Amino acid sequence: EAQVTQNPRYLITVTGKKLTVTCSQNMNHEYMSWYRQDPGLGLRQIYYSMNVEVTDKGDVPEGYKVSRKEKRNFPLILESPSPNQTSLYFCASSGTGSSYNSPLHFGNGTRLTVT
Amino acid sequence: GQNIDQPTEMTATEGAIVQINCTYQTSGFNGLFWYQQHAGEAPTFLSYNVLDGLEEKGRFSSFLSRSKGYSYLLLKELQMKDSASYLCAVRDLSSGTYKYIFGTGTRLKVLA
Repeated sequence: EAQVTQNPRYLITVTGKKLTVTCSQNMNHEYMSWYRQDPGLGLRQIYYSMNVEVTDKGDVPEGYKVSRKEKRNFPLILESPSPNQTSLYFCASSGTGSSYNSPLHFGNGTRLTVT
Repeated sequence: GQNIDQPTEMTATEGAIVQINCTYQTSGFNGLFWYQQHAGEAPTFLSYNVLDGLEEKGRFSSFLSRSKGYSYLLLKELQMKDSASYLCAVRDLSSGTYKYIFGTGTRLKVLA
């Protein structure tokens, strides 16, 4: 089944404790992206990647890191989480180029709470 | 700049038709997408428009006018399960890479 898998679904942590949220897709998509969703603010892009070893900042990259060492994986790293990073996070992927009408496919989300 | 506007909330009755509007401003338009999102769940893809006109998919239709920067999502024969948020998203290529810009979503309540 074609899907984007992110883990964990729920995470409660404390300020300053490094964490990684994993994201993997099995559709051979070039494009992958991370979003956070907060009430009243909609989906805001954190980082995105057009292909392996190519990553770029989105609209709200502060406090986050990503890497794209393999096409299928795009982990999100919070080196020193703070309470303002409490949010619902989504990973998404899509095709590019000849797959111009390929929509974004979303993972099931990770609800992160930082205390 | 880049901006997407859609109404915050709408209410409709089961069996009725509802139209959710979306206006956008972007310099590198490369397609418009509609997603459905139930509370706490992932957005799921509904429709895609890149050329002007109407795209129909069962009970859902989406319209695009690029010259007006305007789209709408039409939901027919509303069902209770259609109660959800509907997100309008534009794909922009002005930076040379894909950028998806999302509206804040329209929360639709379907009443019995």
